[in-house]
Amino acid sequence: AQKVTQAQTEISVVEKEDVTLDCVYETRDTTYYLFWYKQPPSGELVFLIRRNSFDEQNEISGRYSWNFQKSTSSFNFTITASQVVDSAVYFCALKGNTGKLIFGQGTTLQVKP
Amino acid sequence: DGGITQSPKYLFRKEGQNVTLSCEQNLNHDAMYWYRQDPGQGLRLIYYSQIVNDFQKGDIAEGYSVSREKKESFPLTVTSAQKNPTAFYLCASSLIYNEQFFGPGTRLTVL
Repeated sequence: AQKVTQAQTEISVVEKEDVTLDCVYETRDTTYYLFWYKQPPSGELVFLIRRNSFDEQNEISGRYSWNFQKSTSSFNFTITASQVVDSAVYFCALKGNTGKLIFGQGTTLQVKP
Repeated sequence: DGGITQSPKYLFRKEGQNVTLSCEQNLNHDAMYWYRQDPGQGLRLIYYSQIVNDFQKGDIAEGYSVSREKKESFPLTVTSAQKNPTAFYLCASSLIYNEQFFGPGTRLTVL
């Protein structure tokens, strides 16, 4: 069975703090993809990143960075110097051989000024 | 502008009524998807379609129906058989093996 666990239901930080959102996944597929999406209060999901199972290089995009570790089945997301506009629900998702996207429960991030 | 549109943004339904949610994309994507999101929950897959005139049930298809007569369009009908339809509905599209892009959503409330 495939599963994505985001153990942190809610996180609250003060602006300019760094914050890491955890994501742990389960799959028996050897080829799979991992994703992060952001859902602001408007409701639309915004695609942030896709990573395939053969590429364990960490990625940085501006204040965002992602750490993929197959050994621990984790794909964590760090926001550096958080801003109020980062406040949203963040979803981690997994796609394996079925082609279906399996979402975690989401982490609500609140960044206070 | 390329993107995914969903209408209406808000929809109210009386018990026993069928309602249809619209989803259109002009991204030339082959695959389209419907998800349901309940408060504080992740997204659950209702139906998906990878080519025109073909679609498959997702994890929670009961009480829903879809059609895919055109590549650009994937309407979802919430039937009276759906016992608890109040939720936020999101449509998405993608190239077959790529990331999914989402529409703005439709919030359905049963009165």
